Amino acid sequence: DAGVTQSPTHLIKTRGQQVTLRCSPKSGHDTVSWYQQALGQGPQFIFQYYEEEERQRGNFPDRFSGHQFPNYSSELNVNALLLGDSALYLCASHQRQPFLDEQFFGPGTRLTVL
Amino acid sequence: GENVEQHPSTLSVQEGDSAVIKCTYSDSASNYFPWYKQELGKRPQLIIDIRSNVGEKKDQRIAVTLNKTAKHFSLHITETQPEDSAVYFCAASIVASGTYKYIFGTGTRLKVLA
Repeated sequence: DAGVTQSPTHLIKTRGQQVTLRCSPKSGHDTVSWYQQALGQGPQFIFQYYEEEERQRGNFPDRFSGHQFPNYSSELNVNALLLGDSALYLCASHQRQPFLDEQFFGPGTRLTVL
Repeated sequence: GENVEQHPSTLSVQEGDSAVIKCTYSDSASNYFPWYKQELGKRPQLIIDIRSNVGEKKDQRIAVTLNKTAKHFSLHITETQPEDSAVYFCAASIVASGTYKYIFGTGTRLKVLA
């Protein structure tokens, strides 16, 4: 049973570019959350998707957008990249029912913006 | 607002001593509190969790306590070993829109000195 997977592992972009990160949830999970973890900080909640819609959103600008596909996989898009967007981007999945509270994290995508 | 405070930010202990990390949360509706261990460049790994209907939970050398009235929860590691050195994050589950997200603390860098 595969856990949460993310791609790519590492990514280097320049300011102003756009990036797309991908996540496949753990088998049986239907909800995907994205977190941004800057160096030396705790993960910060970006947004969450289930039933192919954004359900919750943290304090992130509209440059951050996402999508969820019918197979529950998800993408995180960031436009007009800033140096401050450099971080580890973590995807976490869980199943909405039964309501168990546990989330499972992927290995992350390390984004570097130059 | 939604907030989790974590202290201390760094903690150095001698091998074999105990380590205690404390967190305070703001949302009184939170009912699930996981603790994660994160090694450099890796994903957060769940090490122990506690639900609001329980005051204490123990798993070998690791224990977590919860005081819902004070909105405090703590991680206790006994008989520390060099391999316990890592960054530890507490989190509180926030329920909204029929699902939940995590609010993380800022992390504690634990160094176990041999």
